[in-house]
Amino acid sequence: EADIYQTPRYLVIGTGKKITLECSQTMGHDKMYWYQQDPGMELHLIHYSYGVNSTEKGDLSSESTVSRIRTEHFPLTLESARPSHTSQYLCASSSLGYGYTFGSGTRLTVV
Amino acid sequence: SQQGEEDPQALSIQEGENATMNCSYKTSINNLQWYRQNSGRGLVHLILIRSNEREKHSGRLRVTLDTSKKSSSLLITASRAADTASYFCATAGPRSGGDAGNKLTFGGGTRVLVKP
Repeated sequence: EADIYQTPRYLVIGTGKKITLECSQTMGHDKMYWYQQDPGMELHLIHYSYGVNSTEKGDLSSESTVSRIRTEHFPLTLESARPSHTSQYLCASSSLGYGYTFGSGTRLTVV
Repeated sequence: SQQGEEDPQALSIQEGENATMNCSYKTSINNLQWYRQNSGRGLVHLILIRSNEREKHSGRLRVTLDTSKKSSSLLITASRAADTASYFCATAGPRSGGDAGNKLTFGGGTRVLVKP
């Protein structure tokens, strides 16, 4: 039973389209993260937030943007999708002293 | 570049056997965590070990940490088919302060296949 929800689960979209991947958590965690993962590969941090109105870029350069207007909500937006954005996007949240809780991920395919 | 590197990359064992995988990292850490990922899904947190701890147990899981060698191991005892998954180590660096709320750097994972 996930306390962090990602939608959509799968998305196939054409090149140039704008998309928003949704991530919401019900645990009241102040810290939230977006990771990108290609199949069978390591996770790369692309964005993180330590609280409302606080967002930072991660270690992997990404053309996506994020916002954190509410504690529970951390959406990721791609203004113009490209085939190179095809990947799995994983959202996670954490609270001090505990590990991350991950959502089930959004598998994005840009055609 | 990867902070953590798992070894082996893949492991195939029979049900009931033990599975051991290792993680090496490069820089000082605040804590090291292990996660499990079933195919195509999100990751599930398994265990966290702090830099001042040497060993930790959780059910059939045993984690060791050797900060002098910058390495950790995860042992799964009496494996089951349901343990088939990829296992990732992740490190939290010290400069962010605090505990597991730090951003984590993940390794490439070990793919474990447990045959019934």
